[in-house]
Amino acid sequence: AQSVTQLDSQVPVFEEAPVELRCNYSSSVSVYLFWYVQYPNQGLQLLLKYLSGSTLVESINGFEAEFNKSQTSFHLRKPSVHISDTAEYFCAVSRFQKLVFGTGTRLLVSP
Amino acid sequence: DTEVTQTPKHLVMGMTNKKSLKCEQHMGHRAMYWYKQKAKKPPELMFVYSYEKLSINESVPSRFSPECPNSSLLNLHLHALQPEDSALYLCASSQPSYNPGLAGGTQYFGPGTRLTVL
Repeated sequence: AQSVTQLDSQVPVFEEAPVELRCNYSSSVSVYLFWYVQYPNQGLQLLLKYLSGSTLVESINGFEAEFNKSQTSFHLRKPSVHISDTAEYFCAVSRFQKLVFGTGTRLLVSP
Repeated sequence: DTEVTQTPKHLVMGMTNKKSLKCEQHMGHRAMYWYKQKAKKPPELMFVYSYEKLSINESVPSRFSPECPNSSLLNLHLHALQPEDSALYLCASSQPSYNPGLAGGTQYFGPGTRLTVL
């Protein structure tokens, strides 16, 4: 069975500071990895995904994540956050038709 | 276009009511999903339809009844719900997985229906 661990339930950060949201997964086979973002009272939006190829993937709004097979990690980073990045971030792995989510990390950006 | 739409946005119902949630996508996806999300928790998978046939039921109580009338539509019929069923119900769609050993396509989520059971 596969699982996803997001160790940080909440990450407070000041505006324009860098941030890293950690995600580790466990799986005995190759997986697809995703980061979803959920703004208050909204559904989940796909932020970025790793399927194959380059281990560094980027989103259009400045986030990036690096797939590290040896450390079974897929950490999300942004060099400079904005107030509008305040949201819940979910890491997920996909196998067959199931998405297995981590428990989520709440990113709180303050001025 | 990666849009999944859900109606209604909000729903309040009594425990004896019958209601339905609707989900629609026009991305040509042939897999559709229902999730339940409680506050401050990740989404929990309820049902998966693949090619309009129910392929996964995660032991959901029978008071929740899914229906996939065509490849673009997914319904969730609700009857005799309990207050603990109050949650955000999310619909998603993707291309289906053709091989049990491989992941399915990327799932795109709708905005959800906020359900309150009184």
